[in-house]
Amino acid sequence: QVQLKESGPGLVQPSQTLSLTCTVSGFSLTSYSVHWVRQHSGKSLEWMGRMWSDGDTSYNSAFTSRLSISRDTSKSQVFLKMNSLQTEDTGTYYCARGDGYTDYWGQGVMVTVSS
Amino acid sequence: IMLTQSPATLSVTPGESISLSCRASQSISTNLHWYQQKPNESPRVLIKYASQSISGIPSRFSGSGSGTDFTLNINRVEPEDFSVYYCQQSNSWPWTFGGGTKLELK
Repeated sequence: QVQLKESGPGLVQPSQTLSLTCTVSGFSLTSYSVHWVRQHSGKSLEWMGRMWSDGDTSYNSAFTSRLSISRDTSKSQVFLKMNSLQTEDTGTYYCARGDGYTDYWGQGVMVTVSS
Repeated sequence: IMLTQSPATLSVTPGESISLSCRASQSISTNLHWYQQKPNESPRVLIKYASQSISGIPSRFSGSGSGTDFTLNINRVEPEDFSVYYCQQSNSWPWTFGGGTKLELK
């Protein structure tokens, strides 16, 4: 069945770089887009960026200058890297599958930015 | 594109039928989707493209609308429906979500 699972550090220091991995199963990254979505505690959802099935990427301009999304199709993994982290980047980070809408989501990974 | 959901909170009793609103800052055709999120869970899609049903989602959930005004209807709210509901547009980049409507027990 379709599954997505995020992994990465739970704690990152301010000004450092966040690196997250989304490992997928049950579908091919060359057939579906994978998105990264962030949620601050108790708040709404914020779309960060997208890895298209053809390998292209799209980014929310709110993150463009410090966000990078890449993938390794042989390992069924999509990567998020975001630099210059601040305390406002604390939240839960999700990866999700979808074209048009997102039909499967990972469980999310909680990231705290703190010294 | 900004999505404005109303009300922010809705207090109801089980068995009531309700409507949640989502308004877009510009026309998005029917590129509007509805999600449910329960505490400590990931969002789950309920309705795609404004009114299309999703396999496995109870039939009491339905959607309508096009352009800028959209509605999620829940026919006879069940106890498991108390959660937060979000709308999301995929008409243009970046995709955006509404601020959410919290459905709570009266």
